[in-house]
Amino acid sequence: AQSVTQLDSQVPVFEEAPVELRCNYSSSVSVYLFWYVQYPNQGLQLLLKYLSGSTLVKGINGFEAEFNKSQTSFHLRKPSVHISDTAEYFCAVSESGGSNYKLTFGKGTLLTVNP
Amino acid sequence: ETGVTQSPTHLIKTRGQQVTLRCSSQSGHNTVSWYQQALGQGPQFIFQYYREEENGRGNFPPRFSGLQFPNYSSELNVNALELDDSALYLCASSDRRVETQYFGPGTRLLVL
Repeated sequence: AQSVTQLDSQVPVFEEAPVELRCNYSSSVSVYLFWYVQYPNQGLQLLLKYLSGSTLVKGINGFEAEFNKSQTSFHLRKPSVHISDTAEYFCAVSESGGSNYKLTFGKGTLLTVNP
Repeated sequence: ETGVTQSPTHLIKTRGQQVTLRCSSQSGHNTVSWYQQALGQGPQFIFQYYREEENGRGNFPPRFSGLQFPNYSSELNVNALELDDSALYLCASSDRRVETQYFGPGTRLLVL
């Protein structure tokens, strides 16, 4: 079984500042890793994913994440945030080679970008 | 390319009633997964359907059931509704050969 811990429930930042949203996972098998974003009253939108290969993954809207196997982490970063980045961010994991790729999510991090 | 759609967008039911939620998968996708997202929580996996058969189930009671149709659309049925069933229900579609799931906008269910 997998589990995901998002270390910060809320992260307030000022516009144009850098941000890092932290995610740690636990799994006894190899995993795929994902970050999704949820804007108010909407579904989930895929930001980026790590399947294999380069540990630095680039996604949409200028976000990137780095997979660190030894630390079982997959932190999300953006060098300069905008007001429009205000949303809930979810880290998720699925078992690679599994039969159904079901996603296990963290509890989410609310990113609030202030002017 | 049409994305994942869900209906209805909102629903209010009373305790003990039954509800059916619907999902149309993204074009070309043959697998549908359902998730429950309680307020302030991350989504939790309910079950997945592939080629009209259940292909994995999370820790939800049997009163949560589903169907997948030949066109790969899907229904989530919940019987004997409880107050704790109030949540956002998310449908995600994927191609079973591919690891990425794409989500619909969700159905918000309120049980009174």
